[in-house]
Amino acid sequence: QVQLKESGPGLVQPSETLSLTCTVSGFSLTSNSVHWVRQPPGKGLEWMGIIRSGGSTDYNSALKSRLSISRDTSKSQVFLKMNSLQTEDTAIYYCTRWTTTEGIDYWGQGVMVTVSS
Amino acid sequence: DIQMTQSPSLLSASVGDRVTINCKASQNINKYLNWYQQKLGEAPKLLIYNTNNLQTGIPSRFSGSGSGTDYTLTISSLQPEDFGTYFCFQHNSWPTFGAGTKLELK
Repeated sequence: QVQLKESGPGLVQPSETLSLTCTVSGFSLTSNSVHWVRQPPGKGLEWMGIIRSGGSTDYNSALKSRLSISRDTSKSQVFLKMNSLQTEDTAIYYCTRWTTTEGIDYWGQGVMVTVSS
Repeated sequence: DIQMTQSPSLLSASVGDRVTINCKASQNINKYLNWYQQKLGEAPKLLIYNTNNLQTGIPSRFSGSGSGTDYTLTISSLQPEDFGTYFCFQHNSWPTFGAGTKLELK
């Protein structure tokens, strides 16, 4: 079945770089896009960016200067890197699968990232 | 960006009640509107896609409607397992989400 699982550090120092990995199973990264979405505590969901099945990327304009999404199809992994982290980046980070029919249909469990010294 | 205004933010209801949750888009989203359910500590679950299409495995008490800028999720007869948070999501253009509706037991 389709599964996505995020992994990464739970705590990041301010001004440092966040690196997260999304490991997927049950589908191919060359067939489906993967989106990253985050949710700060007590706030709404924010779309961060996409890596398409063909490998192209797009980012939320508010995050574009700090965000990079890449992948390793052989390992079924998608990577998120975001630099210059601030406390406002404290959030649960989710990777999600996208289909052309349903939009986002599956979500990972999410990983909580706290930005604090 | 398209803004999604979801209401109400909190809904208190009883088992067996019919409940509705609304989302209003800041512009026409051409029915590219999904609804998700999220329970504490769990991944969100897709309920309805493209306004009125029930995702596989989702009970028929869930339904969606709408067009243009206004969309509604209806639960025809609330069950104990339906309590949680619901949010809408538009994918007509760069994706955006509603702020969520917490559905709690009255």
